[in-house]
Amino acid sequence: SQELEQSPQSLIVQEGKNLTINCTSSKTLYGLYWYKQKYGEGLIFLMMLQKGGEEKSHEKITAKLDEKKQQSSLHITASQPSHAGIYLCGAVPANFGNEKLTFGTGTRLTIIP
Amino acid sequence: DGGITQSPKYLFRKEGQNVTLSCEQNLNHDAMYWYRQDPGQGLRLIYYSQIVNDFQKGDIAEGYSVSREKKESFPLTVTSAQKNPTAFYLCASSTYLSSYEQYFGPGTRLTVT
Repeated sequence: SQELEQSPQSLIVQEGKNLTINCTSSKTLYGLYWYKQKYGEGLIFLMMLQKGGEEKSHEKITAKLDEKKQQSSLHITASQPSHAGIYLCGAVPANFGNEKLTFGTGTRLTIIP
Repeated sequence: DGGITQSPKYLFRKEGQNVTLSCEQNLNHDAMYWYRQDPGQGLRLIYYSQIVNDFQKGDIAEGYSVSREKKESFPLTVTSAQKNPTAFYLCASSTYLSSYEQYFGPGTRLTVT
């Protein structure tokens, strides 16, 4: 079955610093989704990556999918308090017929002033 | 505004009682999903539905039941057979089952004592 591992599990970063969160799959991915969740709330879609080597940016958040399509990184530049929350990756494996997302365990990001 | 609503936000029940969580969407999405979120375990799929009057078990369906009588509504019943019902429950929808970009509701935190 598809397994996604996120690292680190939690991260405490001083405001203004850069940070990176990783998501590693046990199998080749058809697509990789990044979501953000504020504690006790629903998930908000950030970005979707599908092609090997693809990179997308939204404001100060950049996500990349490696060439082998088994690892993705989420990079935040000049972090702000609004970036705090839980970041989850969701993936669709490349095997035909599997239409369900599998989610990673999440990375809890805390921004300190 | 289009979106997904879940009610109530917090729910408390005594052990042995069945409880139904509400999920409504006005996005005209065909597919709907129920996830359970526990600390350190990410999201796990309970049930999903791709069309009215049809639904499929996810990875952890035991102790849960659903119905899909209307396109807009996908209620989840947590039965007394669910051994560890205390969790955060998230409902999501997508345009169709193969559209992996899912929109999430705000969640319901269920506490059973």
